[in-house]
Amino acid sequence: IAGITQAPTSQILAAGRRMTLRCTQDMRHNAMYWYRQDLGLGLRLIHYSNTAGTTGKGEVPDGYSVSRANTDDFPLTLASAVPSQTSVYFCASSDGTSGGPSIFGPGTRLTVL
Amino acid sequence: GQNIDQPTEMTATEGAIVQINCTYQTSGFNGLFWYQQHAGEAPTFLSYNVLDGLEEKGRFSSFLSRSKGYSYLLLKELQMKDSASYLCAVRDSNYQLIWGAGTKLIIKP
Repeated sequence: IAGITQAPTSQILAAGRRMTLRCTQDMRHNAMYWYRQDLGLGLRLIHYSNTAGTTGKGEVPDGYSVSRANTDDFPLTLASAVPSQTSVYFCASSDGTSGGPSIFGPGTRLTVL
Repeated sequence: GQNIDQPTEMTATEGAIVQINCTYQTSGFNGLFWYQQHAGEAPTFLSYNVLDGLEEKGRFSSFLSRSKGYSYLLLKELQMKDSASYLCAVRDSNYQLIWGAGTKLIIKP
């Protein structure tokens, strides 16, 4: 796949439901990130992982959890979705040369009603 | 607080040159990034500056002045496909990226 895939592409979800956004990369990058992007605001980091087996909290972690069981996969879970989590979610990874995200996935557009 | 400022929107003409400014106030500095994002798509990495000066990469150049908390992205020989949002981001002392809201660039024929 030579990059990052995310699933689903878009989703409409009822408030209170649990949802997992999937992210898979095939570049063997150590660092991975989850961002949300809302109109008029900069990208905001939700959670990150510097290497398999470790995760950390970003700027807006509340209501979200992540896991990093292996290098390739970095799923994001909303335990009980709320309307304020309506957003576009991007998964990204870093090749380590600059320390910032070098490649982004195509995004998941999530609407919570 | 930490802050990244960019103009919300700019308009330029095909074939011309445009400069997109970014000023920042962050707790520490460990590099500045520029990304391009076409509407409905994911951001793509353009450049990374950690030292003062100009970094040139084809039609795109990025400049940094750490003492002034200032960067710009210079786009030459504008093409219609350059119509996009341009995102500035700064890595602070905790190695966290602080993102600007982006500058929407509109290219007119």
